[in-house]
Amino acid sequence: GENVEQHPSTLSVQEGDSAVIKCTYSDSASNYFPWYKQELGKRPQLIIDIRSNVGEKKDQRIAVTLNKTAKHFSLHITETQPEDSAVYFCARGIQGAQKLVFGQGTRLTINP
Amino acid sequence: EAQVTQNPRYLITVTGKKLTVTCSQNMNHEYMSWYRQDPGLGLRQIYYSMNVEVTDKGDVPEGYKVSRKEKRNFPLILESPSPNQTSLYFCASSFDLINRDEQYFGPGTRLTVT
Repeated sequence: GENVEQHPSTLSVQEGDSAVIKCTYSDSASNYFPWYKQELGKRPQLIIDIRSNVGEKKDQRIAVTLNKTAKHFSLHITETQPEDSAVYFCARGIQGAQKLVFGQGTRLTINP
Repeated sequence: EAQVTQNPRYLITVTGKKLTVTCSQNMNHEYMSWYRQDPGLGLRQIYYSMNVEVTDKGDVPEGYKVSRKEKRNFPLILESPSPNQTSLYFCASSFDLINRDEQYFGPGTRLTVT
């Protein structure tokens, strides 16, 4: 189907530790996978994205990995800081379809 | 300043009273979209538009209408609001959703229908 399953729904980690959020999809035509961060009371903002022609992409403390065979992709945040606390959404898109399907969101809390 | 604006930001209304939420972007984006955000359900697409006079249904279009008469504006219309349309609504825009650019979201409109 079209849904994207995102896990876990909530995640609490100690400051400085790593956090991993995973999303799975079933539509093999999907080829674009962005991650959005939504701080409390704010709008979602893109933090990193990956296309299906690469397996990993990194931007400072944030990385995304994609396993096309298993149809899952993950967000990795290393050396977590209090400002990383937010709700994170994964999404999948299909080139040319002009549509994104979002996961249910993960509320990440960084404990000092 | 490049931005997506929405009005109103907060609205409390009664069942059946028609309302419009406006959305405007100043980035000359071709693609615009409306989402609703509900707890545990993430962001679900209501309608989208790939250009002026071109609109299409998203995943949850029932009870909503849109129009795209100008490139910068993409209003969301609720002809007869019902309590199950109580939600947080986001408008978003991009040059090209998949190929070129990220989606920029507006600040959100919190709608309560009693």
